Amino acid sequence: QQQVKQSPQSLIVQKGGISIINCAYENTAFDYFPWYQQFPGKGPALLIAIRPDVSEKKEGRFTISFNKSAKQFSLHIMDSQPGDSATYFCAASMKSNYQLIWGAGTKLIIKP
Amino acid sequence: DAGITQSPRHKVTETGTPVTLRCHQTENHRYMYWYRQDPGHGLRLIHYSYGVKDTDKGEVSDGYSVSRSKTEDFLLTLESATSSQTSVYFCAIARAEDTQYFGPGTRLTVL
Repeated sequence: QQQVKQSPQSLIVQKGGISIINCAYENTAFDYFPWYQQFPGKGPALLIAIRPDVSEKKEGRFTISFNKSAKQFSLHIMDSQPGDSATYFCAASMKSNYQLIWGAGTKLIIKP
Repeated sequence: DAGITQSPRHKVTETGTPVTLRCHQTENHRYMYWYRQDPGHGLRLIHYSYGVKDTDKGEVSDGYSVSRSKTEDFLLTLESATSSQTSVYFCAIARAEDTQYFGPGTRLTVL
C-alpha cells in the first residue's frame, strides 16, 4: 500500500516530442505528489508538484496530470529538449508521515 | 541551492572501519533525511529526523546510525563499513512533510 510504481524505466524521445512518465499509487491517504529531476552527479531537484484537489498543474513545458479515481499521476514534458535528458522520479507523501515514498525512476534521453 | 552541504564529497575507506558523513543546513528546517542511491534501486531512505534528538529508521537502516544534536547538523555513521555500503549518499531537508531539498551527495567507496 505504501508503494509508488513508476513506468517506463527508460524512455527515448526525439527533440521536440512529448515525453510522458507515469506513476500509480495505492494509498488514498497520499496528499502530495512531487516530481524530481536528477542530472548525473547531482542531487534530485524538485521539478513540479501537485495536490489531489486539482487535476492538472502546468509550469512552462512541464505538466502534471492527476487522476484521483484511477490513483495515477503523470508527468508530461512538451517540446522535449536535449537538456531535459535526466532521471525523473515521482513520489508521494501524506501529512501524517514524514517520508516521501519514491518511484524507481525513469531515465529520459532526448535525441537531437 | 537550498543551503545544504555534505562532507566529505568523496571518500574511500576499507572494510571494517567506521565512517561518518555530515549534512549541514543553513535553512533551520525541521526535517532531515539520509538516503542512499544505487543503480536499479532509486532512492532508499536510511534514517530521518523530525527534530533535535528525534530520529527514526527508514527502510534500509541496518548498519547505520544517526545523530542530530543541533538543528543544522545531521550525522550518518557506518559503524563498520562493508562493501555493500558502497553507494552515493544524499542528505535532504524539509520545512514540512512535503517538499524535500537535496544536498550534492557523498560518493562512498568501501574496499
